[in-house]
Amino acid sequence: GENVEQHPSTLSVQEGDSAVIKCTYSDSASNYFPWYKQELGKGPQLIIDIRSNVGEKKDQRIAVTLNKTAKHFSLHITETQPEDSAVYFCAASLLDTGRRALTFGSGTRLQVQP
Amino acid sequence: NAGVTQTPKFRVLKTGQSMTLLCAQDMNHEYMYWYRQDPGMGLRLIHYSVGEGTTAKGEVPDGYNVSRLKKQNFLLGLESAAPSQTSVYFCASRRQLTNEKLFFGSGTQLSVL
Repeated sequence: GENVEQHPSTLSVQEGDSAVIKCTYSDSASNYFPWYKQELGKGPQLIIDIRSNVGEKKDQRIAVTLNKTAKHFSLHITETQPEDSAVYFCAASLLDTGRRALTFGSGTRLQVQP
Repeated sequence: NAGVTQTPKFRVLKTGQSMTLLCAQDMNHEYMYWYRQDPGMGLRLIHYSVGEGTTAKGEVPDGYNVSRLKKQNFLLGLESAAPSQTSVYFCASRRQLTNEKLFFGSGTQLSVL
């Protein structure tokens, strides 16, 4: 089955700096890579996703890049703000097949210092 | 629109006791999932359902059972709780296979003593 590794486990940045979280996956057939944000006491929420036919996707201050050859993808947050403090999860999946569930990474706790 | 609702939010059990966690969604979603979240291990899939009356095993199904008698509800049962089942449990749903976004509930904190 799919295995997703995520680094770092914790990340502390100063407000206004950039943050980068990296993930690798094992199954070269995976074609969908979402990122979820989990705030304290809440369930994860989708913040951005990318399919394997795209190398990069941006949404305001967040972006995701995908390197299919190396089987890794990254989340980039620019101009970080205190409200970006949360746990972030990457995930991988193979859509439109018998595997109908996401495999998640172990999570990164991001702390943005004011 | 409540989305995905989990009950209870907190529960403490003694080893060997049984309980059922309820997940309800009001979005008419076909797919529903139960995950557990443990420190340093992310979210691991316990069981899932691709439609009313169907269930399937995920990564860590041992010690759990599930039922999907109604499309809007997905129940997770622990027949004989063990300390290793101390965790935060999340239910999630999505509309269909080609709609990727998962909607999560707010979680159930379970402690087994």
